[in-house]
Amino acid sequence: GAVVSQHPSRVICKSGTSVKIECRSLDFQATTMFWYRQFPKQSLMLMATSNEGSKATYEQGVEKDKFLINHASLTLSTLTVTSAHPEDSSFYICSARGSGRETQYFGPGTRLLVL
Amino acid sequence: QKEVEQNSGPLSVPEGAIASLNCTYSDRGSQSFFWYRQYSGKSPELIMFIYSNGDKEDGRFTAQLNKASQYVSLLIRDSQPSDSATYLCAVNLANDYKLSFGAGTTVTVRA
Repeated sequence: GAVVSQHPSRVICKSGTSVKIECRSLDFQATTMFWYRQFPKQSLMLMATSNEGSKATYEQGVEKDKFLINHASLTLSTLTVTSAHPEDSSFYICSARGSGRETQYFGPGTRLLVL
Repeated sequence: QKEVEQNSGPLSVPEGAIASLNCTYSDRGSQSFFWYRQYSGKSPELIMFIYSNGDKEDGRFTAQLNKASQYVSLLIRDSQPSDSATYLCAVNLANDYKLSFGAGTTVTVRA
């Protein structure tokens, strides 16, 4: 149980384009989803917390207009990187937790490369 | 002071030995504690969680929690080369569902 999927697993795009990443909880309803970014040889950095049906809460220093998060249902959250630049190239990972649970289960991650 | 600190690696152990990983946290009100394993290029996967003081065993893994000392550890018994990975300690801060992660300890098990 507790399977989280992400799509796409890898994306290469040109600078200035937008990229959408999907995160799905496959076998449970995710009350909350989290979006992380991880640069090489660094730990996870939480970008935002997303609750179904409400606006995402962004961590300090994360631009909400650049990283658009939508949590339209209890099984799907999306992260859109708008006007991507090379410095946005990173490993983006989502996680999800169910109602009443504190444990977060991670998706497999999306590796973004902006040329 | 960082919220969650892990002993700096890398940690190299011979196959069959015990790998010991340590983690301290600063928020005394923290309620839940997690160990994740992350292979290179992959996302973290949950190994164990622990809520109460004492030991919790799952197969070759044992998590130990001491809230008075604000310390949580992970022991890997009979280490295998497949255990070579970065181990992340994560703490659920009081009244918050967010996890605060340590920087991770990289473990290498020598065959």
